[in-house]
Amino acid sequence: AAGVIQSPRHLIKEKRETATLKCYPIPRHDTVYWYQQGPGQDPQFLISFYEKMQSDKGSIPDRFSAQQFSDYHSELNMSSLELGDSALYFCASSSRHSEAFFGQGTRLTVV
Amino acid sequence: QQQVKQSPQSLIVQKGGIPIINCAYENTAFDYFPWYQQFPGKGPALLIAIRPDVSEKKEGRFTISFNKSAKQFSLHIMDSQPGDSATYFCAASGGPGGYQKVTFGTGTKLQVIP
Repeated sequence: AAGVIQSPRHLIKEKRETATLKCYPIPRHDTVYWYQQGPGQDPQFLISFYEKMQSDKGSIPDRFSAQQFSDYHSELNMSSLELGDSALYFCASSSRHSEAFFGQGTRLTVV
Repeated sequence: QQQVKQSPQSLIVQKGGIPIINCAYENTAFDYFPWYQQFPGKGPALLIAIRPDVSEKKEGRFTISFNKSAKQFSLHIMDSQPGDSATYFCAASGGPGGYQKVTFGTGTKLQVIP
């Protein structure tokens, strides 16, 4: 069965650079969620999109932005990267009234 | 404020033992309670889940017990194996219109010793 696909799997950036993470949801899933997981931490909700519109917002820094495109894939754009942005970034997708499934994540390292 | 509280933070059991992880929630709008298993560097994988109209659910060696009035639920792993060593997150989701944002507990790092 198709799963949530995230790319890239690993990314190394320097401070103050920009990074773009991509998420491809399970087919027919209309909602995408982004999470950030620091070392030894639980995943923290960043933002979600339903039918290409932002539906909820969590602890997402102003330096980050995201959008969902017409094919339902989503991109998380992160600018002015800081060392503290180093983390695993997960995307999940769901349809209404079905459980969310997570991708394998993107490991971002800021040096 | 942690909406889903989880304990213990870490757990060590012998092979064949029955680790128990407990969680509690506040928001009565939650209507779906999944457990995720996460290995280092991997995404959380759905292990088992329960809805509030059921008090217990078993899948293989994994059992969820749910107490709606106490707003508590727990995971039992029967006959635990070294391969079960991972971090386990309880979670809760649900909201208006079937919104499924997952709110995680703080995680329990389980180590099963051979």
